[in-house]
Amino acid sequence: AQSVTQPDIHITVSEGASLELRCNYSYGATPYLFWYVQSPGQGLQLLLKYFSGDTLVQGIKGFEAEFKRSQSSFNLRKPSVHWSDAAEYFCAVGVGGGADGLTFGKGTHLIIQP
Amino acid sequence: DTGVSQDPRHKITKRGQNVTFRCDPISEHNRLYWYRQTLGQGPEFLTYFQNEAQLEKSRLLSDRFSAERPKGSFSTLEIQRTEQGDSAMYLCASSPGMRNSPLHFGNGTRLTVT
Repeated sequence: AQSVTQPDIHITVSEGASLELRCNYSYGATPYLFWYVQSPGQGLQLLLKYFSGDTLVQGIKGFEAEFKRSQSSFNLRKPSVHWSDAAEYFCAVGVGGGADGLTFGKGTHLIIQP
Repeated sequence: DTGVSQDPRHKITKRGQNVTFRCDPISEHNRLYWYRQTLGQGPEFLTYFQNEAQLEKSRLLSDRFSAERPKGSFSTLEIQRTEQGDSAMYLCASSPGMRNSPLHFGNGTRLTVT
């Protein structure tokens, strides 16, 4: 079965600094990868997705992620964070199985320091 | 596109009572998913529908839980004889059904069992 690991439970970054959130997946074939963001008390919003092709994908709000097959990783990056980026970030893998739903990591809580 | 709508946003109930949640997916999305999210965790898959057919259920979905999507549009999730361990955010998502289409999430229903 597929799984997702987000090794960092919390990350604190100063406003204006760069950001990288780590995500590692376990799956035997090429996965479909997603990053979602969740603000307190809200549902999840899709930031970006990778299905195939270019391994560097651009998303909304200035985020990007790079798929590295050799490392089984799909890390999320942003060159300069804003206070409004403070939220919970979830990496997810979809494998096109029976449910075609997603398996989520436990999330990384991003704190922005002024 | 008005997004996925869930009702109610919050529900407080006493242990042993029954509760029912409603989800209205994005129009013409034929797939509808229910997820559960507990504090500090990522969403966990519960069940999903393709139109009105319930195609998969997670082991997390005990026999006290039942979901329906009678006309292939809105869905309800009922929990009978609620337990304190049922306290969680219940998230609904929909997708157009193409292979590994991203899921569009609602804002969830927060259930508190006292």
